Amino acid sequence: AQSVAQPEDQVNVAEGNPLTVKCTYSVSGNPYLFWYVQYPNRGLQFLLKYITGDNLVKGSYGFEAEFNKSQTSFHLKKPSALVSDSALYFCAVRDGKADKLIFGTGTRLQVFP
Amino acid sequence: GAVVSQHPSWVICKSGTSVKIECRSLDFQATTMFWYRQFPKQSLMLMATSNEGSKATYEQGVEKDKFLINHASLTLSTLTVTSAHPEDSSFYICSVRGNSGNTIYFGEGSWLTVV
Repeated sequence: AQSVAQPEDQVNVAEGNPLTVKCTYSVSGNPYLFWYVQYPNRGLQFLLKYITGDNLVKGSYGFEAEFNKSQTSFHLKKPSALVSDSALYFCAVRDGKADKLIFGTGTRLQVFP
Repeated sequence: GAVVSQHPSWVICKSGTSVKIECRSLDFQATTMFWYRQFPKQSLMLMATSNEGSKATYEQGVEKDKFLINHASLTLSTLTVTSAHPEDSSFYICSVRGNSGNTIYFGEGSWLTVV
């Protein structure tokens, strides 16, 4: 069965510092991997996805993620964090044959000025 | 701009009544929409897959008679919470698969409070 793990409930980082939000996955087929961000009381906004091709994926708002097949990871990164990046981040996986997304438990990112 | 629209954003209803939440695909026709539920400080749980012109596919443990889903057109799916109870209070979010087939877009969500 497909699953996604986000091992950190919260990540704290100072503004201007690099940030990493971790995600590991388990799927039976080829993984389609996604990152979404959720601001308070709002829906989810799409950040980026990995389907195939280059392992380093660039997305919205300066975020990027690296697909690592051997480690089954898809960590979200940003070189320089902003206070406005503070939000809840969800990693999700979609099995290549299925439509539905399986979400991780979410990681709250707090960027301090 | 928004790709998926949900209405209402907030709704309060009395216990025992029914409430309908709409999900509209604004930019493209969607034969498939998804309904998720999110409890405070928790992840999203898929409730059902809404299929245009046919019955919805419910996830295990989701009561189909309680959470009625209708996907009558290629741009509209509705979720009706019937005989609502306080434990149904939650954040309900719909999503639509984009034309490219790989990106799934989410609505802004609907807060339901049952009192």
